[in-house]
Amino acid sequence: DAMVIQNPRYQVTQFGKPVTLSCSQTLNHNVMYWYQQKSSQAPKLLFHYYDKDFNNEADTPDNFQSRRPNTSFCFLDIRSPGLGDAAMYLCATSRTSGGSYNEQFFGPGTRLTVL
Amino acid sequence: GQNIDQPTEMTATEGAIVQINCTYQTSGFNGLFWYQQHAGEAPTFLSYNVLDGLEEKGRFSSFLSRSKGYSYLLLKELQMKDSASYLCAVMDSNYQLIWGAGTKLIIKP
Repeated sequence: DAMVIQNPRYQVTQFGKPVTLSCSQTLNHNVMYWYQQKSSQAPKLLFHYYDKDFNNEADTPDNFQSRRPNTSFCFLDIRSPGLGDAAMYLCATSRTSGGSYNEQFFGPGTRLTVL
Repeated sequence: GQNIDQPTEMTATEGAIVQINCTYQTSGFNGLFWYQQHAGEAPTFLSYNVLDGLEEKGRFSSFLSRSKGYSYLLLKELQMKDSASYLCAVMDSNYQLIWGAGTKLIIKP
């Protein structure tokens, strides 16, 4: 089945130790997103890629970076995780048609714990 | 600013009907989405409305009034597995999704 895959599902890191989260998709969608979601809050968009074009949200901390080496893969790098970065990180994809966007498909998420 | 409002929590009884409301103020409108999210899991797509009116999909229906900036999600014949958070999201003029914080729906036997 076509899907969005995130690894790992659970990640534990030490305060200040860099961590990388990965996302892959078999949907062949041209748009990929990274969201941060904390308990009982709305998902917060960190980045999105429209094809290879990288779009950084204005309030995304510099501590967060992203890479999309090809259509199928996208990575989220947290350079120096703080306690406030503990959250669920969601990867999503969508496709554009005729200049408009369709619904977003989400991966299962990576729950990050910072000790 | 952009804003999506929905109730924080609702409780309903198994087998009953519940309506979850969403009001929005966004810069532009390119459609409204409803997602279901079970605790600890990713959101899953339920419905999309871009024109006024009711869209029915099995036990779930979604309604939109663009002039009022209002939508609702109607769930019929509630089952215990419907206990989840329901997120309303609006696509703005930049094709970005503006998300509500979600409505936690608790189903009681």
